[in-house]
Amino acid sequence: GDSVTQMEGPVTLSEEAFLTINCTYTATGYPSLFWYVQYPGEGLQLLLKATKADDKGSNKGFEATYRKETTSFHLEKGSVQVSDSAVYFCALSPTGTASKLTFGTGTRLQVTL
Amino acid sequence: GAGVSQTPSNKVTEKGKYVELRCDPISGHTALYWYRQSLGQGPEFLIYFQGTGAADDSGLPNDRFFAVRPEGSVSTLKIQRTERGDSAVYLCASRPTGGWTEAFFGQGTRLTVV
Repeated sequence: GDSVTQMEGPVTLSEEAFLTINCTYTATGYPSLFWYVQYPGEGLQLLLKATKADDKGSNKGFEATYRKETTSFHLEKGSVQVSDSAVYFCALSPTGTASKLTFGTGTRLQVTL
Repeated sequence: GAGVSQTPSNKVTEKGKYVELRCDPISGHTALYWYRQSLGQGPEFLIYFQGTGAADDSGLPNDRFFAVRPEGSVSTLKIQRTERGDSAVYLCASRPTGGWTEAFFGQGTRLTVV
């Protein structure tokens, strides 16, 4: 079945550092890929998405590119802020739908001054 | 408008008891999902409703778990004969239908079985 593997945390960075959180997936066909974020005390929020190979999703300075050849969707940000401290989840859904999301285990990011 | 609302936010119950968890989706959203998130894990799919009917219940772990959505809006997740392993955060999400649209999540109900 479908699965998502993301790097374990916690990841601790200083403000303005470069961020990469790795995510790889296993799925049949061409799934849609997502990054969700969970800020402390809040619900899951969609951060960005990509629905086909080579698409780049971006939002709030974060980017991720759908790489079919490496089955990856790594999350990057050039300069993190303290306010980016949260748990980040990589997820996929079957082709063309959001009927069921399969999530990774989450990566906690802690950004310090 | 209001987001997805889940009640209660916390529930502590004794092993063997019956519990109901409620989800109020965003008004007009026809698709509704339940997920379960155990400590240190990502959310795990349980069931998906399209309107009043369960379109996919493949994630329900066993027959102690059941969910309904009788009028196509509010949904209730029901757990019978609770076990300590059922302790988790239960998340609800909703989205409109038509193409791909974002699913909006509630803040979850934290269930603790003692």
